[in-house]
Amino acid sequence: SQQGEEDPQALSIQEGENATMNCSYKTSINNLQWYRQNSGRGLVHLILIRSNEREKHSGRLRVTLDTSKKSSSLLITASRAADTASYFCATDQGAQKLVFGQGTRLTINP
Amino acid sequence: GAVVSQHPSWVICKSGTSVKIECRSLDFQATTMFWYRQFPKQSLMLMATSNEGSKATYEQGVEKDKFLINHASLTLSTLTVTSAHPEDSSFYICSARDLLKGDDYGYTFGSGTRLTVV
Repeated sequence: SQQGEEDPQALSIQEGENATMNCSYKTSINNLQWYRQNSGRGLVHLILIRSNEREKHSGRLRVTLDTSKKSSSLLITASRAADTASYFCATDQGAQKLVFGQGTRLTINP
Repeated sequence: GAVVSQHPSWVICKSGTSVKIECRSLDFQATTMFWYRQFPKQSLMLMATSNEGSKATYEQGVEKDKFLINHASLTLSTLTVTSAHPEDSSFYICSARDLLKGDDYGYTFGSGTRLTVV
């Protein structure tokens, strides 16, 4: 399977804490993207990091990419209840094709 | 900007019938759209790439005759699940990218269609 792995599969933290999710992939990529999915809904694009970038920030999100290890991490700082969702990494392997990781189910406890 | 509308949100059908799902790009043109399938608490699996004016490209293991894709215009792609069976019950999601926007905007997804075959 070309799909990557994400860990943890599930993460439960207290509101205000930071949440870190990791993603590993198998092939060379053009970029890596992170998406959020609320239960039973479509996906929302969060952030994209290119293969020649190592770190990127967007608001409370921080993404890192290590192409030598074929891995990425998503950090959400100062978590809020509204951050409760599933988070997926997706690699752009060319031809506009995205390959998704298995996802991390994040629960923020008030 | 870059809104994708997907209908219906949910549908229940009887075994043996066909169901059509529509995916529309509302404020941009999409020469390519993508159809995914998602099982409960699992990831998205790409089923096929829908190409405007030409045949869709199906992923390995996806039955072309079971999942008919039509991309007749620059803003509409349809997925028809033919002769549906209970094992086709799933969450189907479409996506597209506004190529006039930079990569940083990523792909836009429809809200998904929950198909239940009884």
